[in-house]
Amino acid sequence: QVQLVQSGAEVKTPGASVEVSCKASGYIFTSYGISWVRQAPGQGLEWMGWISGYNYKTIYAQTFQGRVTMTIDLSTSTAYMEVRRLRSDDTAVYYCARDPWNGMDVWGQGTTVTVSS
Amino acid sequence: QSALTQPASVSGSPGQSVTISCTGTSSDVGGYNYVSWYQQHPGKAPTLMIYEVSDRPSGVSNRFSGSKSGNTASLTISGLQAEDEADYYCSSYTSSGTPVFGAGTKVTVL
Repeated sequence: QVQLVQSGAEVKTPGASVEVSCKASGYIFTSYGISWVRQAPGQGLEWMGWISGYNYKTIYAQTFQGRVTMTIDLSTSTAYMEVRRLRSDDTAVYYCARDPWNGMDVWGQGTTVTVSS
Repeated sequence: QSALTQPASVSGSPGQSVTISCTGTSSDVGGYNYVSWYQQHPGKAPTLMIYEVSDRPSGVSNRFSGSKSGNTASLTISGLQAEDEADYYCSSYTSSGTPVFGAGTKVTVL
């Protein structure tokens, strides 16, 4: 079945970086893009950016420009998102989602990232 | 890009219908037919319920329907059931070339 499996929870100190992975299976990886969405505790969904599974093209939300990098590894059908210069307000659940740009139709289980000194 | 406007909460009794509104501008909801709706139960990942304003993915109950008029999109849940109690988020493509989410609506089944 189509699924996205994300890496496990992370605890980081302020100023550090974190990388979250998202392994796809059950579909042709290059036929879809991957969006990354985060959700702070008790808050709503926030779109962070998108990467094409076909040509590595990326689109980032302005809020995250320069601090987030999204990449893919076609050999393992895995998407990665790195967030640098972490702050306490980056504490959130981070989701990857398959995104053909008309609706995010498959979601990963989420990865909790806690930023604390 | 500002978040789309949704009511904080709506409620209804089992069997009733509820409608959630999602108001944007001509630069997002009003300008494109790329409005989608997501259901999220506590502690779970969101699930796509509606895409392209009114289309349902395979497996989503036909009790869920979407529509749009001007700058406002709507999600209607008919025949409300206990399992429908969840948070619902709308999303729209925008003129910036990126999507934006609404703030979310909590649906309570009385």
